[in-house]
Amino acid sequence: SAVISQKPSRDICQRGTSLTIQCQVDSQVTMMFWYRQQPGQSLTLIATANQGSEATYESGFVIDKFPISRPNLTFSTLTVSNMSPEDSSIYLCSVEGAVTDTQYFGPGTRLTVL
Amino acid sequence: AQSVTQLDSQVPVFEEAPVELRCNYSSSVSVYLFWYVQYPNQGLQLLLKYLSGSTLVKGINGFEAEFNKSQTSFHLRKPSVHISDTAEYFCAVSEGTSGTYKYIFGTGTRLKVLA
Repeated sequence: SAVISQKPSRDICQRGTSLTIQCQVDSQVTMMFWYRQQPGQSLTLIATANQGSEATYESGFVIDKFPISRPNLTFSTLTVSNMSPEDSSIYLCSVEGAVTDTQYFGPGTRLTVL
Repeated sequence: AQSVTQLDSQVPVFEEAPVELRCNYSSSVSVYLFWYVQYPNQGLQLLLKYLSGSTLVKGINGFEAEFNKSQTSFHLRKPSVHISDTAEYFCAVSEGTSGTYKYIFGTGTRLKVLA
């Protein structure tokens, strides 16, 4: 399976600011995904990021709030914009594995907004 | 629309005892099914998956799961648990069409292994 790293691993931010989370993979992958895991809850898909095209956002998530970049086949960023305490969550990136239809997850970024 | 139900939010079990974590899904199409484990302060690790073929699937760390289409279930089992199995376990489903990567996750089951 792919080795996935995320930066930062955790951060504490002030209301109204923005944070960019990086996701790096040790191999080239076509599809990358960003998820949110709110405290004590399950994972919710934010968007799918394919290299060379605009990210596809799920219902309830918009590009202005969660802009995503995918400049190459091993890297992606998710920005959480104009943050509020409700954005406090773990944000995880995942990638498609070598086996079709299987996703592998990064360690997550734990975000706290004050 | 697809959905996943994990009925047990918490499961306490003594060390070396067997455990079953339940997962039921609803879907109007064929599905792929997954179990992931999340250890404290870590990301998700794939335990096992069912894509096709044998309905009994074996995964890492001694876990196995059985796909039951008639009962729309994919319960996770381990015959003898260890303290190190204490973690959150998530069941996930995706449409059974190759290339469709959208996962729907259950709410998770917190397994607590007691000494």
